[in-house]
Amino acid sequence: EAGVVQSPRYKIIEKKQPVAFWCNPISGHNTLYWYLQNLGQGPELLIRYENEEAVDDSQLPKDRFSAERLKGVDSTLKIQPAELGDSAVYLCASSLGRLREQFFGPGTRLTVL
Amino acid sequence: AQTVTQSQPEMSVQEAETVTLSCTYDTSESDYYLFWYKQPPSRQMILVIRQEAYKQQNATENRFSVNFQKAAKSFSLKISDSQLGDAAMYFCAYRSASGGSQGNLIFGKGTKLSVKP
Repeated sequence: EAGVVQSPRYKIIEKKQPVAFWCNPISGHNTLYWYLQNLGQGPELLIRYENEEAVDDSQLPKDRFSAERLKGVDSTLKIQPAELGDSAVYLCASSLGRLREQFFGPGTRLTVL
Repeated sequence: AQTVTQSQPEMSVQEAETVTLSCTYDTSESDYYLFWYKQPPSRQMILVIRQEAYKQQNATENRFSVNFQKAAKSFSLKISDSQLGDAAMYFCAYRSASGGSQGNLIFGKGTKLSVKP
């Protein structure tokens, strides 16, 4: 069974440019998470989806970040415009339910120049 | 709000020896879960072991075991017979079992474990 897939693995952009990350969860997993991991830190939740509904987006900086999960499967996280401080690893995880084990993808490392 | 603290930024162990990674947490909840995750250089977080707060018995998974002290809010990970493949970042994490934040993991800052051959 395929794990959580994320793309791209690496992204380098100039500041003020837009960027998007894509996540394909494990088949059948209705709960999807996006985490931000700064260098030397543990992951921090940005947003959690139950199917296509964003049920917890309290930590998502809504002025520049947006996310969607159309049809309750794949998800896209977007930053527009990117700032230098957005350089980090963006992790996606999925689970069968919010109390079930979370499986993580390999993450996307973003560098903003 | 819940917090997780890992006070050891780096640890080192000789191959085949035993090492213990420390974790403390703060919560006012009585029902929760605790986890240890491993993150190798590939960045993929892997669940190592989990502990339900209502269980008094410490969890064990092969060479990995925990020492869960609920009153002290302490949750340490012991790795026995350390192997080169154990080298990674280890994160302690907390998850509430009730309320709107159910399912949301709260991570510590991590401990980088090196294994010497």
